[in-house]
Amino acid sequence: GAGVSQTPSNKVTEKGKYVELRCDPISGHTALYWYRQSLGQGPEFLIYFQGTGAADDSGLPNDRFFAVRPEGSVSTLKIQRTERGDSAVYLCASSPTGETQYFGPGTRLLVL
Amino acid sequence: GENVEQHPSTLSVQEGDSAVIKCTYSDSASNYFPWYKQELGKGPQLIIDIRSNVGEKKDQRIAVTLNKTAKHFSLHITETQPEDSAVYFCAALPGGSYIPTFGRGTSLIVHP
Repeated sequence: GAGVSQTPSNKVTEKGKYVELRCDPISGHTALYWYRQSLGQGPEFLIYFQGTGAADDSGLPNDRFFAVRPEGSVSTLKIQRTERGDSAVYLCASSPTGETQYFGPGTRLLVL
Repeated sequence: GENVEQHPSTLSVQEGDSAVIKCTYSDSASNYFPWYKQELGKGPQLIIDIRSNVGEKKDQRIAVTLNKTAKHFSLHITETQPEDSAVYFCAALPGGSYIPTFGRGTSLIVHP
């Protein structure tokens, strides 16, 4: 079946701009996660949704980062006033249980 | 919070040799330990996992061992093949939590 998909696969933007990254989870998975991965590092937790609500957003680095999942399926990660330090791969994962996670291919964000 | 250390950061082996990657964790409440394989330009893919009530699990050429007392777990790949070349991440998930902590990854290179 279809796995987790993320769009766009690559995004180049200028410092100060606003970006939206989209995640389509595996159908029926209630848990959805966003991670950020820098070069040579493991995934770093950002936010976790259970259904429509953010169960844990303790990983969001500051208030420029926000994520929504209005219907309990697709999720959008929003970054305001982007900075060069935001450049990374943003990974989305979904899970039927919250334990075993299935990752998407990621969105490579480059802030110039 | 949980802290996961992973070693080595790079591992180079000849095709047919075995490879071992080791991780340690700090939180004795962690009870789920997945391993992910990440190929260049792709998201992490779950390859094997183990729970704290089991000491060893095997799936064809891949095995994982867990020592709860010492708080370490290892990934063993036998009869390595060039297609095993990738970055491997370990992770630990505390009981009652759905937020995994990842190691920094091991770049495995299998030379034909």
